[in-house]
Amino acid sequence: TQTVSQSDAHVTVFEGDSVELRCNYSYGGSIYLSWYIQHHGRGLQFLLKYYSGNPVVQGVNGFEAEFSKSDSSFHLRKASVHWSDSAVYFCAASISNNAPRFGAGTKLTVKP
Amino acid sequence: EAAVTQSPRNKVTVTGGNVTLSCRQTNSHNYMYWYRQDTGHGLRLIHYSYGAGNLQIGDVPDGYKATRTTQEDFFLLLELASPSQTSLYFCASSADSSNERLFFGHGTKLSVL
Repeated sequence: TQTVSQSDAHVTVFEGDSVELRCNYSYGGSIYLSWYIQHHGRGLQFLLKYYSGNPVVQGVNGFEAEFSKSDSSFHLRKASVHWSDSAVYFCAASISNNAPRFGAGTKLTVKP
Repeated sequence: EAAVTQSPRNKVTVTGGNVTLSCRQTNSHNYMYWYRQDTGHGLRLIHYSYGAGNLQIGDVPDGYKATRTTQEDFFLLLELASPSQTSLYFCASSADSSNERLFFGHGTKLSVL
C-alpha cells in the first residue's frame, strides 16, 4: 500500500510570498499523485494531479506541483499567495485500482 | 460540477448506539469512498466500493460496516458506536477508477458521547 507523508503541519507566510508545501510518498511502482484543498468547514476540492509526462503540472488558482521520482516527492508551489489561499492542503497517492491515501495535511496561513 | 451529498450533516449519539451515515452521488461514478478526518491523521480510508454490491476494506475498518446498495448510494454503519469514532466523516466519489479525481461531500460530524 502506498503511504504519504506531509512533513509540515503548519506553514505561515505573508500575502505575496511564494510557498512550497512538501509531500513525499513511498511506493516503488507507478503512482498517481494529487493535491486537494480544504477550506474551513468544507469538503476537499481537487487542485491538480500527476501520473506521467511533464513532471511539472499546473493546477487551479496558480498552483503547480513538481514530481520527482528520485526524491519520491510531489511538492506543491505557488509563486504569490493570496489571503484566500489560507486552507488545509492534502497530498494524495493512489496506485492502480486502489483507493487514494492521504497525508496528514498542511495548514497554510497567509497573513496580510 | 459533480455532486456528492451526505446526510446528516451533524449527528450525536451515545456509546453503544446505532448510526447510519448516508452518501449519494448523482454523477454516475463507479467508485465511492468513506474517509474519516482527525487532527494529526489527515484522512484515513475506512471502506470503498467500485460498484453496486461491491465492498473493499480500507485501512481503519474496525467498528464500521458499509454497504453500496446502488451505484448512487453508499452507507456507513456504526452498529455499536464508541467515543473513538467521534470524527468528521467524508464521502467521495470518482469516475472510472481510483486514479481519477475525487469529488467530496461536505462531511458529517459525528459525536459519540
